[in-house]
Amino acid sequence: SQELEQSPQSLIVQEGKNLTINCTSSKTLYGLYWYKQKYGEGLIFLMMLQKGGEEKSHEKITAKLDEKKQQSSLHITASQPSHAGIYLCGAVRGSNYKLTFGKGTLLTVNP
Amino acid sequence: GAVVSQHPSWVICKSGTSVKIECRSLDFQATTMFWYRQFPKQSLMLMATSNEGSKATYEQGVEKDKFLINHASLTLSTLTVTSAHPEDSSFYICSASGREAGELFFGEGSRLTVL
Repeated sequence: SQELEQSPQSLIVQEGKNLTINCTSSKTLYGLYWYKQKYGEGLIFLMMLQKGGEEKSHEKITAKLDEKKQQSSLHITASQPSHAGIYLCGAVRGSNYKLTFGKGTLLTVNP
Repeated sequence: GAVVSQHPSWVICKSGTSVKIECRSLDFQATTMFWYRQFPKQSLMLMATSNEGSKATYEQGVEKDKFLINHASLTLSTLTVTSAHPEDSSFYICSASGREAGELFFGEGSRLTVL
């Protein structure tokens, strides 16, 4: 089974709506990265969470880490078409930045 | 701007030829870089860890003789796909840790198509 499960797999929202993407790990989370990717392009770093209960925000994107649940959530407020893309969570495995990725969540924001 | 750069961004080659992909850290030194592969609509899969001045560490199932990694300097790692075959066609992407703790940047990726 997949080590990192992302849900939903895809999401279509109307511009201005809020949305949440979840990332659940089957193993202990030591650190969790969130990236955004346009298909066929590189990954854009969004944020990194390391401590249980940690919450970070960047512009309209907020991410939280729940260590006990081995889960992280990414919340976008008042979504815009520019938020469209594939959101990937990556879990730290070991101490040297090796990441295991989820399959991604495809976000479409309709104007 | 990009802090990790890959070249080429796309390449088409004939079956049996070798292809080299470069990954550069632009304004910082990276003793460790990582190479991932991504098939269409799939997640990124770690192939190997590239260590400056020493041998790369490969993940299980990745052929080290097929995917040659060289990390000759603190800002450059190269991935050479030797004797490429159509099944090697994929999106290859590298990453490097930045100056600040927790920073991990990815390159723009290189799309390889083997005919």
